Parts: sequence; C-alpha cells; structure tokens
Amino acid sequence: GAGVSQSPSNKVTEKGKDVELRCDPISGHTALYWYRQSLGQGLEFLIYFQGNSAPDKSGLPSDRFSAERTGGSVSTLTIQRTQQEDSAVYLCASSLVVAGNTGELFFGEGSRLTVL
Amino acid sequence: RKEVEQDPGPFNVPEGATVAFNCTYSNSASQSFFWYRQDCRKEPKLLMSVYSSGNEDGRFTAQLNRASQYISLLIRDSKLSDSATYLCVVNMGNTPLVFGKGTRLSVIA
Repeated sequence: GAGVSQSPSNKVTEKGKDVELRCDPISGHTALYWYRQSLGQGLEFLIYFQGNSAPDKSGLPSDRFSAERTGGSVSTLTIQRTQQEDSAVYLCASSLVVAGNTGELFFGEGSRLTVL
Repeated sequence: RKEVEQDPGPFNVPEGATVAFNCTYSNSASQSFFWYRQDCRKEPKLLMSVYSSGNEDGRFTAQLNRASQYISLLIRDSKLSDSATYLCVVNMGNTPLVFGKGTRLSVIA
C-alpha cells in the first residue's frame, strides 16, 4: 500500500486477555518503530526494528510486551495478560533507514486499545 | 529532567496572530531536530526539520539554539487550519527519535 497500515484500528478487550497488533510498513522501508500514546500524553517509544532485528527493546514496559518482524516487512506487537494501564493508541511508523538526520517517520493511523 | 520538554498549552490565538513555541532538550550531544504536527485523533506527520542556521517554510520558521539547548517554532498569520498539536522531536544519536509531549494550538476565528 501507499502508507503504513495498522490493524485492528480499534480493539476492546477484557483484562487478562492477550492481544496482537499488526503493522504493515511502507514497502522498502527497513526501519520499523512502535510507539504508544496515552490520552493527553506524548509518544512513548516501545521498540524498533532494523530489518528483522530489534537493536533496542528498552522501551517495552514489561515482559508482557513482545514484538517481532518477519521478512523485513510486517511486524506484530503482542501484549499478554492485558491490564487497564495498557489502554492507549499504539502507533507504528516506518522509515527508509533508521531515521537519523532525515527525521522522517511515516506513521500509521494507530490501533486504539481499550482494556476493560 | 525530561529528555524533551514543551509547554503543553493550550495556546488560544486569533486568526492572523503570530505564535511561537519553544522546546528544550536535555542531551547536549543531540544531532538533529524536527517539528511534527499531530491533528486531533490522527497520526503525527513531519512538519519541518530544524537547521542550525534557522529555516523558514512559508509562514513557519524554525530555529535552533545549541548553546541553550532549545528549539523554537514561529507561526505567522495563523490560520484556522493550523490548529493542532505541535511535537518537538530530537535525534539523540543512535537511538530512535525522542518526541516531546506536544504543544496544543487553537486558532480562533
């Protein structure tokens, strides 16, 4: 597709359930990022991929969070045993290379997660 | 100290006004700087890069002061369509971009 595609756009789940969020980056973009944004808050970095490798997992809030990327393309962010504080918009972005001096990340529209 | 700090606002200004936002960053080794714009319930999008010499794009002017570790964004002749949240973004080296929490602007008719 022309842009970064994320699914589902909205997800409501019960506390304790697992959820999977998917990101399909712009074709040819080697770098892929996951951020989350809670209501009224800034973007919180979670993890990024260079190809299929994740050099920096420091932002993952707990071991309930994991992510993978296969084929240098699609990425999945998995949250196990969801908690109410996991409720947020999960934003995926991609860039041609790890965004250094160009600074241009292309974001998807996000997956809004609500944990009841 | 937070890595990137911004006044959250909101800044409520009339159409045609000039408004300026500042942002400070903590890491003196930061390499490059950007302003992103985020409309309500939408994803962030790159507005402009910030160069050491300052740069202008139409009604928007960005400036960098490395000595004081702050970045500014000036919007002249504000339009209703400028209403959004403006995110200050910093590249601190071999790490992903760090985003400020944003400054909310409302331009009022």
